[in-house]
Amino acid sequence: DAGITQSPRHKVTETGTPVTLRCHQTENHRYMYWYRQDPGHGLRLIHYSYGVKDTDKGEVSDGYSVSRSKTEDFLLTLESATSSQTSVYFCAISGPGELFFGEGSRLTVL
Amino acid sequence: GIQVEQSPPDLILQEGANSTLRCNFSDSVNNLQWFHQNPWGQLINLFYIPSGTKQNGRLSATTVATERYSLLYISSSQTTDSGVYFCAVDNTNAGKSTFGDGTTLTVKP
Repeated sequence: DAGITQSPRHKVTETGTPVTLRCHQTENHRYMYWYRQDPGHGLRLIHYSYGVKDTDKGEVSDGYSVSRSKTEDFLLTLESATSSQTSVYFCAISGPGELFFGEGSRLTVL
Repeated sequence: GIQVEQSPPDLILQEGANSTLRCNFSDSVNNLQWFHQNPWGQLINLFYIPSGTKQNGRLSATTVATERYSLLYISSSQTTDSGVYFCAVDNTNAGKSTFGDGTTLTVKP
């Protein structure tokens, strides 16, 4: 299995609070991604990183920011969580090429 | 952006039956992957197949890049094959994959 760890795995928070999700990899892959998955849908790309301090937006980036200060860590921040951001968030890595996913973080915003 | 359509959206089989899942995409791609999301939510890599045919046990996949589709074959299905099967395609050089909405497979004993 690809060495990808997401934390926290589950979080319940209230509208308006900041939330940070962490993705840690041990594979030394250049590319890292954050996707979200909502019921009945495939995954949608939020942001991605192509190197330390190099990030770019994906399809659904509004309301999210990311940072990558080390090759192994990619952080996703919701500055002020909203109920529409209730979702399962997946981190992925690649060389680029084949994508490998973490186990997901379930976020509930009340 | 690139569009990805998977069919059928839902599929119910008896154990032991065979099935074919389809993925159509709207533009040429650099990469194509098939994933299985199990009932616990884990995304499991099945095939990395931008073109050609691959086989892994009871599963095989074929991508015809020139005609913009890929097929996933499941033979002698088992209850553990249940879950959602996703196709993901990438037409960038940054691995920014676009996912289809998936095929939900239920295998009954």
